[in-house]
Amino acid sequence: AQSVTQLGSHVSVSEGALVLLRCNYSSSVPPYLFWYVQYPNQGLQLLLKYTSAATLVKGINGFEAEFKKSETSFHLTKPSAHMSDAAEYFCAVSGYGANSKLTFGKGITLSVRP
Amino acid sequence: EPEVTQTPSHQVTQMGQEVILRCVPISNHLYFYWYRQILGQKVEFLVSFYNNEISEKSEIFDDQFSVERPDGSNFTLKIRSTKLEDSAMYFCASSESQNYGYTFGSGTRLTVV
Repeated sequence: AQSVTQLGSHVSVSEGALVLLRCNYSSSVPPYLFWYVQYPNQGLQLLLKYTSAATLVKGINGFEAEFKKSETSFHLTKPSAHMSDAAEYFCAVSGYGANSKLTFGKGITLSVRP
Repeated sequence: EPEVTQTPSHQVTQMGQEVILRCVPISNHLYFYWYRQILGQKVEFLVSFYNNEISEKSEIFDDQFSVERPDGSNFTLKIRSTKLEDSAMYFCASSESQNYGYTFGSGTRLTVV
C-alpha cells in the first residue's frame, strides 16, 4: 500500500523567493513519485517524475525534486518563484505493474506575492 | 502536444439519473484511468483499464460505475444511478506505459442535484 503526506494546505512566498513544497511518502515497494500542478479550472499537469534513475529530478518551469529514500521524502523546489507559479500542487506515488495506480496527497496551494 | 479530451466540461444531473462521462485518450496510449476529486478533497483513483478490461478498481468503483472503450478511441465512465455524493470533478488519464506518467484531461465537473 502507498500513501503520501503533504503537510499544510497553503504556502505563500514572495516573487523571486525560494519555493519549497514538502512531500513524504510511504510505500511497501520501491516507489515511483510524481509532482502534478493544477491551475484553476484546468486538469493535472505532470511537473516531474522519479522512476528510480537519478535522485535529483528536473521538471518543467524550473522545478526540481530530490528523492531521499532515508527520509522517505520527495520535496519540490524552485529557486525563484514567479507569479505564474500560483496553483495547486499534488505529490503522488505509485508502485509498478499491478500497483501502478497513482495515490495522491491532498495538495498544497501555492500563492505568490508581488 | 497531444491531449486527453474530456466532454462535457460540466454536467448537472438529477439524483437517480444515469450519466456518461466521455474521454478521448491520446491515440498511442494503452493504459486508461478514471480519477475523481470531490471539492476540497484528495484526487482519488477509481479504475484502470488495459487491453479492453479493468485491471484494477478502487472501493469507490462499485456496481453503479462501469467503464467502456466502445470504439477504440473513446473511453467512457458511466454512473448508473447518481447520488448527491457523486458530485465531483472526474478526471480521465492515459499513459503510454505503466509508471511513465499519466496525461490527464481537464476534467468533467459533475453536479448531482
